[in-house]
Amino acid sequence: QLQLQESGPGLVKSSESLSLTCSVSGDSISSSSYYWVWIRQSPGKNLEWIGSIYYSGSAFYNPSLKSRVTMSIDTSKNQFSLKLRSVTAADTALYYCARLDGGLYYNYGLDVWGQGTTVTVSS
Amino acid sequence: EVVMTQSPATLSVSPRERATLSCRASQYVGSNLAWYQQKPGQAPKLLMYGASTRATGIPARFSGSGSGTEFTLTISSLRSEDFAVYYCQQYNNWPPAWTFGQGTLVEIK
Repeated sequence: QLQLQESGPGLVKSSESLSLTCSVSGDSISSSSYYWVWIRQSPGKNLEWIGSIYYSGSAFYNPSLKSRVTMSIDTSKNQFSLKLRSVTAADTALYYCARLDGGLYYNYGLDVWGQGTTVTVSS
Repeated sequence: EVVMTQSPATLSVSPRERATLSCRASQYVGSNLAWYQQKPGQAPKLLMYGASTRATGIPARFSGSGSGTEFTLTISSLRSEDFAVYYCQQYNNWPPAWTFGQGTLVEIK
């Protein structure tokens, strides 16, 4: 059974960088059938797509965050990561990693999610 | 950016009654729409993709319809486990620029 688990600091100082890792177990992250995704949920409960990455390393980012986001993937460790630079209080959220069943030609939804990790940006 | 607007914000329904949730896109998204259910303290759960295809293991009391800019999620006979927040998400773009609605809370009447 596929499981995703987020990890990383729960507290980040304003203007610094947020780094999270999603560890995938139960299947290979190198499958060509999936993209790997970061989503965040604000305290007000709004969901926001951050970015998606393929096993090849090809990544796409939310245009509103693109200048501050980098995603990477490590197939040897079966994990992928998120780095968000120059954080502010507006980046305080519950961060989820998820699997997208699909890609360019089809999309069967975000079918597996991690439990989420809370990140608070402090001043 | 495609803005997704869900209505109502809160829906009060009695068990065994029907619930109808709406989602509107600010521009055409075809059938590229998914629905998610989120319960307190849990991650969202995929219910529907392609506007009307149930995800694996989702019971038949959940149905989705619509295309273009107007979408509906119907729960035919609410059970206690269905009281939750429901989100729609469009994925019409590639490269992706996916967006979510703000959610509809289905609460017990």
